[in-house]
Amino acid sequence: EIVLTQSPDFQSVTPKEKVTITCRASQSIGSNLHWYQQKPGQSPKLLIKYASQPFSGVPSRFSGSGSGTDFTLTINSLEAEDAATYYCHQSSSSPWTFGRGTKVEIK
Amino acid sequence: QLQLQESGPGLVKPSETLSLTCTVSGDSISSSSYFWAWIRQTPGKGLEWIGTIFYSGATYYNPSFKSRVTISVETSKNQFSLKINSVTAADTAVYYCARRGTGYYYMDVWGQGTTVTVSS
Repeated sequence: EIVLTQSPDFQSVTPKEKVTITCRASQSIGSNLHWYQQKPGQSPKLLIKYASQPFSGVPSRFSGSGSGTDFTLTINSLEAEDAATYYCHQSSSSPWTFGRGTKVEIK
Repeated sequence: QLQLQESGPGLVKPSETLSLTCTVSGDSISSSSYFWAWIRQTPGKGLEWIGTIFYSGATYYNPSFKSRVTISVETSKNQFSLKINSVTAADTAVYYCARRGTGYYYMDVWGQGTTVTVSS
């Protein structure tokens, strides 16, 4: 099973600041890495697919990069509505797995 | 617009069977373009993919669940279902159903989730 390790676990950020979240896979997964945003009481929502492709309707301040084992989600100019937990997810091999999440708090 | 809605008992006794249904609206579950998945979320293990089904009945399970889990599809009702037998407190979770395309390997539409508690 591929393990995804996210860092940091928690980040407290002021609005307009840049946020960087990393996800490291226990083995190479190519670009089969996707990012989700989950707000309290809601289901996860897809932000980035295949490491760097924005999903439909996602604000341009969200971007992704990486391949192989190291991936990054960047939020440029954080807005108050971006307070959420962010998860990475791999679909390179079964069983599909998720990272443990990074909680982003607005200062 | 596609919507997925989970339903089922919110409380299940230990050793019994957890049964949930996902009702699909806004699209046909019989479309050859999609797979249908169950995922759960617990404080302890986070998000876990449980398994996926195609309208034909073909299933793919997480080995961690395989011996206890059955996913089935009822095309006439546009629904698919999850059963987990011999549940314990560790199966207490929010359960989500979701859609995955046959041409892509991520879940793009999720239900709102339903909380299931295992307790006597």
